[in-house]
Amino acid sequence: GNSVTQMEGPVTLSEEAFLTINCTYTATGYPSLFWYVQYPGEGLQLLLKATKADDKGSNKGFEATYRKETTSFHLEKGSVQVSDSAVYFCALKEYGGSQGNLIFGKGTKLSVKP
Amino acid sequence: DGGITQSPKYLFRKEGQNVTLSCEQNLNHDAMYWYRQDPGQGLRLIYYSQIVNDFQKGDIAEGYSVSREKKESFPLTVTSAQKNPTAFYLCASSLLDGSSYNEQFFGPGTRLTVL
Repeated sequence: GNSVTQMEGPVTLSEEAFLTINCTYTATGYPSLFWYVQYPGEGLQLLLKATKADDKGSNKGFEATYRKETTSFHLEKGSVQVSDSAVYFCALKEYGGSQGNLIFGKGTKLSVKP
Repeated sequence: DGGITQSPKYLFRKEGQNVTLSCEQNLNHDAMYWYRQDPGQGLRLIYYSQIVNDFQKGDIAEGYSVSREKKESFPLTVTSAQKNPTAFYLCASSLLDGSSYNEQFFGPGTRLTVL
């Protein structure tokens, strides 16, 4: 079945450090890939998405490239801020899937220290 | 403003009681979803609905029930049969046009604690 695997956290970085959160997936078809962010005590917000191979999603300085050959969608940011502290979820959605729901990774908690 | 509302934000329940969590959306979305979030477990799908008066079980439906009498509303009932109901519950909605790239919009969540 479809699945998403994320690197386990927590990840602790100093402000302005480079961030990478690894995400790999298993899917039988041609999924779309998403990164969601969850700030403390809140729901999830879409951070970025990519719908086909080699697409790059980007938003708020975050980027992720859909790599079909390595089945990966790693999240990167060149210089993190304290305000980026949150839990990040990688997710996939199968094209034409009857459920229409997202398959989530377990989440990676990021803490950025001043 | 369009969005998804969930109420209440915090909910306490005694063992053996049923409790209903509210979810309302004004985005005119066809599909709605309920997820459960536990620490270190990510999100797991409880139920989803693609059309009024129809809904499907997700991965962890046991001990839960839903209804979809209106397009805008998708309440979730946590029954006394749910063995470990303490969790953070998230409602979401999306368009449903057969494509894969329509994002899901999430509500702010309800934290349920069983005393």
